Amino acid sequence: IAGITQAPTSQILAAGRRMTLRCTQDMRHNAMYWYRQDLGLGLRLIHYSNTAGTTGKGEVPDGYSVSRANTDDFPLTLASAVPSQTSVYFCASSDSASGGIDTQYFGPGTRLTVL
Amino acid sequence: AQSVTQLGSHVSVSEGALVLLRCNYSSSVPPYLFWYVQYPNQGLQLLLKYTSAATLVKGINGFEAEFKKSETSFHLTKPSAHMSDAAEYFCAVTSPGSSNTGKLIFGQGTTLQVKP
Repeated sequence: IAGITQAPTSQILAAGRRMTLRCTQDMRHNAMYWYRQDLGLGLRLIHYSNTAGTTGKGEVPDGYSVSRANTDDFPLTLASAVPSQTSVYFCASSDSASGGIDTQYFGPGTRLTVL
Repeated sequence: AQSVTQLGSHVSVSEGALVLLRCNYSSSVPPYLFWYVQYPNQGLQLLLKYTSAATLVKGINGFEAEFKKSETSFHLTKPSAHMSDAAEYFCAVTSPGSSNTGKLIFGQGTTLQVKP
């Protein structure tokens, strides 16, 4: 079982370009999340999805969009990248979002640099 | 609003010494609390979690944490540090309830250095 895979591992992107970060889980988890990790700030939630077909905004959603067409995939899109979006991006999933008790499992991350 | 403060961005201990990583939370409702560990160039993995059962929670790799409501704290401890414990540690909070969407609020992280 692979758990959560993310692609690409790293990317350097010119400002203004569009970029999609991919996330796939094979645990049949209902809930999925995207976080960004910045030095000194910990992880901050960008968007989440409680179940296929639904999405919601997290703490720092501006400049990002997500979709959840099926259970396994949760891509994150930067429509027009800016340098402040340089960060490490982590995808996570949990069996259920209900009640907040379930452990979140994290992917290995994507390191994105926007120049 | 909920928040987490981790006291000390860097902690350095000698191998075999006590590990103490501090976490204080703010929450208007009884919280669920988590400690995650991140090894270099890897994602986060759960060490332990408090979900309103026993206040002393034991996790993996010999770590434990105690929920102290009066102090709004959830400090992480390990009696004897190993070199393999060197990593970044994150405390996180969420609120229980059916309306909760599982969103975690993370602290800024503490890097643990273990010296031989």
